[in-house]
Amino acid sequence: DAGITQSPRHKVTETGTPVTLRCHQTENHRYMYWYRQDPGHGLRLIHYSYGVKDTDKGEVSDGYSVSRSKTEDFLLTLESATSSQTSVYFCAISELAGDTEAFFGQGTRLTVV
Amino acid sequence: GQNIDQPTEMTATEGAIVQINCTYQTSGFNGLFWYQQHAGEAPTFLSYNVLDGLEEKGRFSSFLSRSKGYSYLLLKELQMKDSASYLCAVLTDSWGKFQFGAGTQVVVTP
Repeated sequence: DAGITQSPRHKVTETGTPVTLRCHQTENHRYMYWYRQDPGHGLRLIHYSYGVKDTDKGEVSDGYSVSRSKTEDFLLTLESATSSQTSVYFCAISELAGDTEAFFGQGTRLTVV
Repeated sequence: GQNIDQPTEMTATEGAIVQINCTYQTSGFNGLFWYQQHAGEAPTFLSYNVLDGLEEKGRFSSFLSRSKGYSYLLLKELQMKDSASYLCAVLTDSWGKFQFGAGTQVVVTP
């Protein structure tokens, strides 16, 4: 199994508070991604990174920011959590950007009340 | 816009065969992937097609027709452990970004 760890695995937070989710990998893969998964929508890309300090937006990036100061860590921050951000968040890593599968972390279930 | 369609749910009997269809319309295409996801777990890679035709991998096969924007995943000799959601995903560019379908829940009954 690819070495990907997400923390925390579960979190309940209040509307308006900032929240940071962490993705840590031990594979030294260049590419890292944050997705959210909601019923009926499948996985949707929030942000991705193609190297240290190199990040870009995905299709549902509003209300989220990311940072990657080290190869192994990719942080997702909800600047001011809203109930619409209640979801399961998955981090994924990939060695190459094409012609290869992505490996997913175990997910973080976030509830915003 | 981008669209990936697959059935919401399919039910089949242990030992049988099930075919999950996926149609896609995306702005880019660098390959089509199938992932398996058990409830409460991470998606795991099953198969990958970039050229037209059939790829076989044990009990699982996947087919692609790029001109039709169509793929299917074939699960043979179904086992109870195959009860899971199957995600069709298109790799849309050279940055490794995927567009996912909503998933097909396969229920295997005894």
